[in-house]
Amino acid sequence: GESVGLHLPTLSVQEGDNSIINCAYSNSASDYFIWYKQESGKGPQFIIDIRSNMDKRQGQRVTVLLNKTVKHLSLQIAATQPGDSAVYFCAEKKDSSYKLIFGSGTRLLVRP
Amino acid sequence: GAGVSQSPSNKVTEKGKDVELRCDPISGHTALYWYRQRLGQGLEFLIYFQGNSAPDKSGLPSDRFSAERTGESVSTLTIQRTQQEDSAVYLCASSRSRTGVLETQYFGPGTRLLVL
Repeated sequence: GESVGLHLPTLSVQEGDNSIINCAYSNSASDYFIWYKQESGKGPQFIIDIRSNMDKRQGQRVTVLLNKTVKHLSLQIAATQPGDSAVYFCAEKKDSSYKLIFGSGTRLLVRP
Repeated sequence: GAGVSQSPSNKVTEKGKDVELRCDPISGHTALYWYRQRLGQGLEFLIYFQGNSAPDKSGLPSDRFSAERTGESVSTLTIQRTQQEDSAVYLCASSRSRTGVLETQYFGPGTRLLVL
């Protein structure tokens, strides 16, 4: 995976506001993308995924947007809650491959 | 059902010692992955097992690292002659198969390794 050293980008939002976490992926041939949430001391937890033939997919309180033209992925969290505080990772892969390539992560802090 | 489990959850060792980390995948998952996560960083692929096929070891950082898996069950990651740079969280994940459009990797809680 990529590395940004010890200092993760951090997004601080007020409880109840919407959050948008961005990710630039590296491989234009990637056709499957996933967002993971990692809470302190735990392994990554699957949130939502999207195929490259889609540009938007919605889950419960979360939406993933895919812009293949600029190789950009975003995760939108509606009505952010304190329990959403975590590090969020995007991951990409090709259908023909089993390897997930992880981004460097963004820390989300929710202010009460 | 039970998720991926890993043991030990924490391991402190002295430089030069060998360590063995264990992963129990979700029952029925044929694919198993090991990742390394250094403090404040993303996940670094180490090794991949799929059924009885030869594992993909392309991510192992040195010959001090090795891993085994018996069939579709438990896997062990061994680090020989540990170095301080090996300090990290070692994460295991499993999935149903290596193919498939909506394959999802399910992660264990990780083993936090500290080499003094």
